[in-house]
Amino acid sequence: GDSVTQTEGLVTLTEGLPVMLNCTYQTIYSNPFLFWYVHYLNESPRLLLKSSTDNKRTEHQGFHATLHKSSSSFHLQKSSAQLSDSALYYCALSDRGSALGRLHFGAGTQLIVIP
Amino acid sequence: GGIITQTPKFLIGQEGQKLTLKCQQNFNHDTMYWYRQDSGKGLRLIYYSITENDLQKGDLSEGYDASREKKSSFSLTVTSAQKNEMAVFLCASSMRLGGQQYFGPGTRLTVL
Repeated sequence: GDSVTQTEGLVTLTEGLPVMLNCTYQTIYSNPFLFWYVHYLNESPRLLLKSSTDNKRTEHQGFHATLHKSSSSFHLQKSSAQLSDSALYYCALSDRGSALGRLHFGAGTQLIVIP
Repeated sequence: GGIITQTPKFLIGQEGQKLTLKCQQNFNHDTMYWYRQDSGKGLRLIYYSITENDLQKGDLSEGYDASREKKSSFSLTVTSAQKNEMAVFLCASSMRLGGQQYFGPGTRLTVL
């Protein structure tokens, strides 16, 4: 079935360094829809960005990700980490290659940015 | 804009007890979800409801019941609380299945 893998459970970075959080997925469907949700402490999770277009960069709030169907990846990146980026990040895949599917979430990556 | 309210914020129960968590949304969304959040395991879907009067099992439905009382509310019942059940339960809604999901603040369950 559909699944998402986030290899790092915890990433600790110094402020100003680039961020890359890994996300790979498995699906038999040729048109996957991928999402990144962010969960800040004492807030509710919310959508950060999404994509279903192969090799097109999607950006929001300084973060960007590119869906690469060839490698089944949707890594989240930012050029320079800020203290306020510390949060739990979830990658998610829409079920069965449909825009109208439920989401399969990865295990999450806790990002901690230190001064 | 809208808001999702979850009650209670903290829930403490005894092992074997039946416990109910409530969720209300005023987005007028059709679809609602219940997730369980455990450290290192991500968000796992327990139940979801595509429209009022619909109920679908997620990946973790065993040991839980759900009820979509009306379009704006979706309840989750832990049928017999277990000590390994301590987690945060998140409710979410979306305009339709597959749409952007909006999450509530969560209910933290502790089982003694």
